[in-house]
Amino acid sequence: AQTVTQSQPEMSVQEAETVTLSCTYDTSENNYYLFWYKQPPSRQMILVIRQEAYKQQNATENRFSVNFQKAAKSFSLKISDSQLGDTAMYFCAFSPFGNEKLTFGTGTRLTIIP
Amino acid sequence: GAGVSQSPSNKVTEKGKDVELRCDPISGHTALYWYRQSLGQGLEFLIYFQGNSAPDKSGLPSDRFSAERTGGSVSTLTIQRTQQEDSAVYLCASSQGVYRAPYGYTFGSGTRLTVV
Repeated sequence: AQTVTQSQPEMSVQEAETVTLSCTYDTSENNYYLFWYKQPPSRQMILVIRQEAYKQQNATENRFSVNFQKAAKSFSLKISDSQLGDTAMYFCAFSPFGNEKLTFGTGTRLTIIP
Repeated sequence: GAGVSQSPSNKVTEKGKDVELRCDPISGHTALYWYRQSLGQGLEFLIYFQGNSAPDKSGLPSDRFSAERTGGSVSTLTIQRTQQEDSAVYLCASSQGVYRAPYGYTFGSGTRLTVV
């Protein structure tokens, strides 16, 4: 069984600053995917970024980037130049290759302060 | 449709009543998933459909929970004899298929169920 741990229940940062959200996971799988999802008050889960475990290069999507450390089973999300619209719950998630189920962490509530 | 549609958006029910939650996936998406999000928790997998069949229903918490999908499209999650611990947000997602799921999950906005 896989587990995903997010150790920061809440974080806040000033607008335009950089913030890093932590995620660790535990699995015996060698091939898998990792994700960060954003959940604003509208409740809809929005995919922010994904990483294939077989790729050594860290994924980047505009202001969002990850630090993927496979040996350490760590997958942190960095948000640069934070904006008010980044305020949301952020969930880290894991999926083994070829398996449709996502295992989620308990989330980090991020607040961007004007 | 353009997105995954769930109804109702909010539902308040009395303990012991049955409820039905509906999910209308993106047209052409063959895979459909139900997750539950309890207060302060992450999302918990409930059941997965590929077409009209459910290869994995291991996350359903009890026999009071059931789900079906018809015509490879709309899915209904039914909770019988609701209990207060069933209060949660129920999220539905769809994708183009099992091996593309990690790339193609689209979530709906969920149904917030409150059992009083």
